[in-house]
Amino acid sequence: AQKITQTQPGMFVQEKEAVTLDCTYDTSDPSYGLFWYKQPSSGEMIFLIYQGSYDQQNATEGRYSLNFQKARKSANLVISASQLGDSAMYFCAMREGNTGNQFYFGTGTSLTVIP
Amino acid sequence: EAGVTQSPTHLIKTRGQQATLRCSPISGHTSVYWYQQALGLGLQFLLWYDEGEERNRGNFPPRFSGRQFPNYSSELNVNALELEDSALYLCASSSSRLAGRETQYFGPGTRLLVL
Repeated sequence: AQKITQTQPGMFVQEKEAVTLDCTYDTSDPSYGLFWYKQPSSGEMIFLIYQGSYDQQNATEGRYSLNFQKARKSANLVISASQLGDSAMYFCAMREGNTGNQFYFGTGTSLTVIP
Repeated sequence: EAGVTQSPTHLIKTRGQQATLRCSPISGHTSVYWYQQALGLGLQFLLWYDEGEERNRGNFPPRFSGRQFPNYSSELNVNALELEDSALYLCASSSSRLAGRETQYFGPGTRLLVL
């Protein structure tokens, strides 16, 4: 089974609108971390936001927030007030265990912001 | 502080040849990771090096190999190139043991094209 599933190959959003990028995960480890990365056309992966499995509140980083639904094993990324510069690939990733270096990545979602 | 650097940025080879990709981690990082990103397939984990040793390997054939040098920089070697090896190869670095929100930091990648 896939550790990380991103079911939206491509998404479009109007500038200044909010958009939700879906991510579901599969693990039996009670301790894990969820990460979102942005990959512009230049190729470099940029870390956006982190959610720990024991965190009580949803993570927020500026215009990025993570809608963490533990029972559903989902960790959707919400981008508010979309900007043209948000157009990129977005990857969800998981690291199992409280410590560890193995990351599992989803296949990504291509987001296009329309002016 | 300099980020992760990779060279070359682009590499064109013909089938059967060998390719060597290089990565320099962020100063102070001892772990280096290699990923293959083929079109539409997300990031596939290749190799993880830490303190000069191979710590983990993804599901790739033995013709994908690498090493880590005493200064923690790393090389990825791909022998007997096949057309399907054409991809973006991303290198990432991190501290030796990740915990919590600690993450890997990625370089800009090397685009390998096999003709």
